[in-house]
Amino acid sequence: AQKITQTQPGMFVQEKEAVTLDCTYDTSDQSYGLFWYKQPSSGEMIFLIYQGSYDEQNATEGRYSLNFQKARKSANLVISASQLGDSAMYFCAMRDQPNTGNQFYFGTGTSLTVIP
Amino acid sequence: NAGVMQNPRHLVRRRGQEARLRCSPMKGHSHVYWYRQLPEEGLKFMVYLQKENIIDESGMPKERFSAEFPKEGPSILRIQQVVRGDSAAYFCASSPPRGQGTDTQYFGPGTRLTVL
Repeated sequence: AQKITQTQPGMFVQEKEAVTLDCTYDTSDQSYGLFWYKQPSSGEMIFLIYQGSYDEQNATEGRYSLNFQKARKSANLVISASQLGDSAMYFCAMRDQPNTGNQFYFGTGTSLTVIP
Repeated sequence: NAGVMQNPRHLVRRRGQEARLRCSPMKGHSHVYWYRQLPEEGLKFMVYLQKENIIDESGMPKERFSAEFPKEGPSILRIQQVVRGDSAAYFCASSPPRGQGTDTQYFGPGTRLTVL
């Protein structure tokens, strides 16, 4: 079974509008971490935001917020006031099994295009 | 504080040659991870190392691939007798020691390996 599922291969958003990128995850652990990364066309992986499984508040970092719904096992990324520079691939990732390993599981990514 | 460094950024090898990819973690980080990204795919975990120890190599192919993180110097991912299917982007990530932060992994810019 896929640990991380991103069902939107491509998304378009008008500049200055908000956009939600979907991510669902699968784990039986109680303690886990959820992460979003941005990969622009230059190829580097840029860390955006983190949500811990025990965090009661949704994480926010500037224009990025994470809509964490634990019962639904979803961790959607919300980008507000989209900018042209937000056009990139976005990957959702999870780290579970904190006592036995520390690998991240990545989704297949969502390609976001911001339209002027 | 310099980020994760990887070199070379691009590497071209002919079939049968060896590829050596280097990674220097962020200052203060003692955990190193290697991931592979095939075109149009997310990152796949390969190996997790601490200084002089391989902690988890469950994602490493059983043959031709090896990794090390010596006491002094960078971590090395070594691919012997490369084949065309090894062509991919190889990312290194590092994280601080356990208990210091959220286990967020910070990625280097990647090495793009092309096998001719």
